[in-house]
Amino acid sequence: GQQVMQIPQYQHVQEGEDFTTYCNSSTTLSNIQWYKQRPGGHPVFLIQLVKSGEVKKQKRLTFQFGEAKKNSSLHITATQTTDVGTYFCAGGIGGGSEKLVFGKGMKLTVNP
Amino acid sequence: NAGVTQTPKFQVLKTGQSMTLQCAQDMNHEYMSWYRQDPGMGLRLIHYSVGAGITDQGEVPNGYNVSRSTTEDFPLRLLSAAPSQTSVYFCASSYEGAGGETQYFGPGTRLLVL
Repeated sequence: GQQVMQIPQYQHVQEGEDFTTYCNSSTTLSNIQWYKQRPGGHPVFLIQLVKSGEVKKQKRLTFQFGEAKKNSSLHITATQTTDVGTYFCAGGIGGGSEKLVFGKGMKLTVNP
Repeated sequence: NAGVTQTPKFQVLKTGQSMTLQCAQDMNHEYMSWYRQDPGMGLRLIHYSVGAGITDQGEVPNGYNVSRSTTEDFPLRLLSAAPSQTSVYFCASSYEGAGGETQYFGPGTRLLVL
């Protein structure tokens, strides 16, 4: 079936480090969305990318959509303890249809 | 606006019992959906609805029923609970569709089936 894969599943970094996490799809996506879930909380929307090659920034977070619209990345600079949580990517399948397929998430822990 | 609300927050059931998880939104969203979240499995779509009177199955629909009689409410029914249904359940809504729309999630219902 249609899948959205996230790598790595777990990421442990020292406070202040940079890192990148990736999201890959087996099919072309209409858009990619990123969500953050704090421990014990619910997923909260971060950003949506729609155009091929699109790059968006939110403070220390940089999101990119691949040229082929099959992959995406999230880069965090100068990681802080407030970044702790699970980051999900979700891809729109079928050209704006009802299907939004979530990856399994990337759990981030930060060593202060 | 309250956004997306879910009740109850926690529930313990015995195998074979039935229950309904409630979900309501006050944003006049057409699209509503139910996900379950299990460790290491991410969010899996159970059922969704594109409007009142219209529902469809997601990735893992077995053991669950839904109905959508109003725009605001989208209850999820477990007819005969099984331990495999122990999970955290999230309801989500968006203005229309899911593929291109921001999803607003409720706070979740934590269900334990013994």
